[in-house]
Amino acid sequence: EAGVAQSPRYKIIEKRQSVAFWCNPISGHATLYWYQQILGQGPKLLIQFQNNGVVDDSQLPKDRFSAERLKGVDSTLKIQPAKLEDSAVYLCASSLDLVMIYEQYFGPGTRLTVT
Amino acid sequence: AQSVTQPDIHITVSEGASLELRCNYSYGATPYLFWYVQSPGQGLQLLLKYFSGDTLVQGIKGFEAEFKRSQSSFNLRKPSVHWSDAAEYFCAAAGTASKLTFGTGTRLQVTL
Repeated sequence: EAGVAQSPRYKIIEKRQSVAFWCNPISGHATLYWYQQILGQGPKLLIQFQNNGVVDDSQLPKDRFSAERLKGVDSTLKIQPAKLEDSAVYLCASSLDLVMIYEQYFGPGTRLTVT
Repeated sequence: AQSVTQPDIHITVSEGASLELRCNYSYGATPYLFWYVQSPGQGLQLLLKYFSGDTLVQGIKGFEAEFKRSQSSFNLRKPSVHWSDAAEYFCAAAGTASKLTFGTGTRLQVTL
């Protein structure tokens, strides 16, 4: 079974530029999560999708971050414009459904450096 | 506020020695509890979880954890550490809101 795929693995941009990350969850997983992991901290949930609907985006900085999951499969997370404090690893995870929220499978992450 | 605390940022143990990583939680009611491991360049992998019942939980890779309600703790243990266990370990909890809250992690270094 293929795991959660993410790309790119690394990205370096200058502040005020925009960037997008892509995630492909495990086949058949209805629930998809984006986490931000700042160096020295644990992952923090940014947004959670159930199929193509948003379940929780309470911690997403909506003035600069956006995410979509148009067809209920792949998802993209965008930052525009980026700030220095956005430097972090962005993790995507998926689970079979909301009931199986505790069985989350994580991708390898995208390491973003904002200079 | 709900929180998970891992008091040890970095731990070094010798290969073959025993290991205990500490985790404390602060929740209104007993949450669901988890331990994840993150190897360099890899995503998080679930080691074990506690929902209810037996307070000693067995996980993968020879790890176990013990839930102690009186101490609000969920410490991870392994009797004999292998060099391949070197990684970062995260304790996490989820309450009724079903949102995972992670601790800040403990980096494990294994010396040969």
